[in-house]
Amino acid sequence: DAGVIQSPRHEVTEMGQEVTLRCKPISGHDYLFWYRQTMMRGLELLIYFNNNVPIDDSGMPEDRFSAKMPNASFSTLKIQPSEPRDSAVYFCASTPSGDYGYTFGSGTRLTVV
Amino acid sequence: AQKITQTQPGMFVQEKEAVTLDCTYDTSDPSYGLFWYKQPSSGEMIFLIYQGSYDQQNATEGRYSLNFQKARKSANLVISASQLGDSAMYFCAMREEGQNFVFGPGTRLSVLP
Repeated sequence: DAGVIQSPRHEVTEMGQEVTLRCKPISGHDYLFWYRQTMMRGLELLIYFNNNVPIDDSGMPEDRFSAKMPNASFSTLKIQPSEPRDSAVYFCASTPSGDYGYTFGSGTRLTVV
Repeated sequence: AQKITQTQPGMFVQEKEAVTLDCTYDTSDPSYGLFWYKQPSSGEMIFLIYQGSYDQQNATEGRYSLNFQKARKSANLVISASQLGDSAMYFCAMREEGQNFVFGPGTRLSVLP
């Protein structure tokens, strides 16, 4: 099993540009989560999907952020337009139903200059 | 209110010694799971160990064990025979039934040669 795969590993972009982060969950995992990690706020849940359906997006900071999961094997997190305060590490994680630990991807380190 | 508290921002331990990383949690739900994750400097989140609220025995995984004291609502991680590769951030997390993960602020462990 390849684990949760995120791309790109690093992204540097200019303020105002659109950024798209990608995630491929582990096959068979029903849940997919997007987290953001910063020094100030730690790990924050942005949004999660169950069976490709967004369940809770209350953690999405503002309308500039959007996430989609068009099928069971792919999800995107888009920021448009990006701002310097969006600089963080963005993690995708997946889990099967039930009380299981999450498997995290390697993260995408986003820097907005 | 903080659901997960990790009171030690940083810890030092001598190589080959044991170390305990503290974690206390707050929940009124009788069914929950407690997890520890390791985040090395490379950034990935690595699942270490899981303890269910109804588990009678303390969880163990190799050199990792969880000192679960339910009445005190504490779930301390014990690492035996520390190795240099154990230097990392360690996050305690809780998942209440039907809810998502809540992560603590983390403890940075440094293993000294």
